Amino acid sequence: GAVVSQHPSRVICKSGTSVKIECRSLDFQATTMFWYRQFPKQSLMLMATSNEGSKATYEQGVEKDKFLINHASLTLSTLTVTSAHPEDSSFYICSASPTGARGEQYFGPGTRLTVT
Amino acid sequence: AQKITQTQPGMFVQEKEAVTLDCTYDTSDQSYGLFWYKQPSSGEMIFLIYQGSYDEQNATEGRYSLNFQKARKSANLVISASQLGDSAMYFCAMRTLYNQGGKLIFGQGTELSVKP
Repeated sequence: GAVVSQHPSRVICKSGTSVKIECRSLDFQATTMFWYRQFPKQSLMLMATSNEGSKATYEQGVEKDKFLINHASLTLSTLTVTSAHPEDSSFYICSASPTGARGEQYFGPGTRLTVT
Repeated sequence: AQKITQTQPGMFVQEKEAVTLDCTYDTSDQSYGLFWYKQPSSGEMIFLIYQGSYDEQNATEGRYSLNFQKARKSANLVISASQLGDSAMYFCAMRTLYNQGGKLIFGQGTELSVKP
């Protein structure tokens, strides 16, 4: 149990275009999902907390107009990188915490975004 | 302020031997949870083990155990009988119930290499 999927696993896009990444909890409901960004050999950096039915909470320094987050249902959250630039190239990981759980987060397999 | 510190950027261990990965934390909350995650080169984050701040016994999950020393604010991960497949990045994380909105705070990570 507690499986989180993420799609796509890899994406290459041209500078100026937008990219949407989906995060789904497959066998549990998640009121809250989290979006992280990770650079090589570094720790995960939390970008935003996604709450079902309400606006996402962004961490300081994260541009909410650039990284659009939508949590449409208890099993789906999406991250859209708008007007992507090469510096947005990174590994993006989502996680979800089962409702009522002790707080452990289950992570998706990640999406490697390359902006050319 | 909430903080997780992993002071070992890299560790080596011989196959079949035990290894301890260090983690110290800082929080003023009385109620919190401590987690360890494994991240292989594929990028997925794998949940390993959880320790609650009120748990009196150290958590164990198969070959993983957590050496929880509350007074010293340490939560070291012990991997017994290391296997080649244990080579990965390991992240210690903390979640406090009342601050930070339930977010996970990650340490810098330790890269473990298991030698045959």
